Amino acid sequence: AQSVTQLGSHVSVSEGALVLLRCNYSSSVPPYLFWYVQYPNQGLQLLLKYTTGATLVKGINGFEAEFKKSETSFHLTKPSAHMSDAAEYFCAVRAGGFKTIFGAGTRLFVKA
Amino acid sequence: NAGVTQTPKFQVLKTGQSMTLQCAQDMNHNSMYWYRQDPGMGLRLIYYSASEGTTDKGEVPNGYNVSRLNKREFSLRLESAAPSQTSVYFCASSDLGRGTQYFGPGTRLLVL
Repeated sequence: AQSVTQLGSHVSVSEGALVLLRCNYSSSVPPYLFWYVQYPNQGLQLLLKYTTGATLVKGINGFEAEFKKSETSFHLTKPSAHMSDAAEYFCAVRAGGFKTIFGAGTRLFVKA
Repeated sequence: NAGVTQTPKFQVLKTGQSMTLQCAQDMNHNSMYWYRQDPGMGLRLIYYSASEGTTDKGEVPNGYNVSRLNKREFSLRLESAAPSQTSVYFCASSDLGRGTQYFGPGTRLLVL
């Protein structure tokens, strides 16, 4: 069975600092991995996804994530945080079938 | 192109009342999903429809029923609402079983 663990329910960074949101997954088959972002009172929208091929995936708004099979990780990074990045971020895994498993989410706070 | 739309945006029910949440997508997607979002628990799949004419239970189906009315529409029904069903409900769709999901803006439901 698949599962997703996001380390840290809340992360706080200063504007301009590195953003690192951690995600570990469990899957018995090659997974598809996703990061979604949710702004207040909105639905989720895709930031980036890994399916096959290059393990470093670039997404929207300057975010990227690296698929590390040996570590079963898919951490999300951004070199320089902006105030507009404040939101909740969800890591998700899809491995076979039609179901996607979401992590519990990490709320990112950006301090001026 | 409206994407995924949900109605209503907000609803208050008394325990034991029934209601139907409506969802429609205009992206010609085959698969549709209903999730609930509760604080600290991420998104949990209630029901999904892999294609028109099929529906399957997700992680938390008890107390809910669904109807895939046609390719565009997928409704979620609460027959006898309970306070434990207070949540934010999201509908999503995807074009392939393992593809990106597109989310609606959500329905906030309060059961008193």
